[in-house]
Amino acid sequence: GNSVTQMEGPVTLSEEAFLTINCTYTATGYPSLFWYVQYPGEGLQLLLKATKADDKGSNKGFEATYRKETTSFHLEKGSVQVSDSAVYFCALNPGANNLFFGTGTRLTVIP
Amino acid sequence: EAGVAQSPRYKIIEKRQSVAFWCNPISGHATLYWYQQILGQGPKLLIQFQNNGVVDDSQLPKDRFSAERLKGVDSTLKIQPAKLEDSAVYLCASSLAARGQQETQYFGPGTRLLVL
Repeated sequence: GNSVTQMEGPVTLSEEAFLTINCTYTATGYPSLFWYVQYPGEGLQLLLKATKADDKGSNKGFEATYRKETTSFHLEKGSVQVSDSAVYFCALNPGANNLFFGTGTRLTVIP
Repeated sequence: EAGVAQSPRYKIIEKRQSVAFWCNPISGHATLYWYQQILGQGPKLLIQFQNNGVVDDSQLPKDRFSAERLKGVDSTLKIQPAKLEDSAVYLCASSLAARGQQETQYFGPGTRLLVL
């Protein structure tokens, strides 16, 4: 079946710290992988995506690389800001155009 | 470009009552989705439309939930009668692509439902 496992939160970091949020997946076929972000009081927004193995998605200083050999898509950012505080969701699209989400990881960045 | 619109933003009802949610997707988007997001969990797909036809409703509790997308644009999701466990955020999303393609989904702000 299709599923996504995310590292459990919440995660609390100081400003300018390095961020990693782990995500691993199980899928049939060759899925596309996504990171969505939900800022307080707002809807889900696409942060970045990768559609095939070894692709790197990047946006707003965040990066994630599609690793087929480890079935992973870890989210990283070199220096987080207070404005990055949000809930981050890893998701996969197995090709039928529906999304399977992880449970989300809440990030809080303190000044 | 206008995003996905949803209404109402919040709804409080008592169990066994009925409720309906409305969604207007991004103009030109053929595919529309309804997701249920229970507190502390990721969104779960309830139903997917391609234009005005249903392509996946395998996770929709059909004894109480129904959805329609007349004319292939707006959509409504209805719960009748509601149960306590239906308390969740109901998200609508849309994408350009036809089924089988892998496209970005754009989400609306959601409707937060509380069933008492």
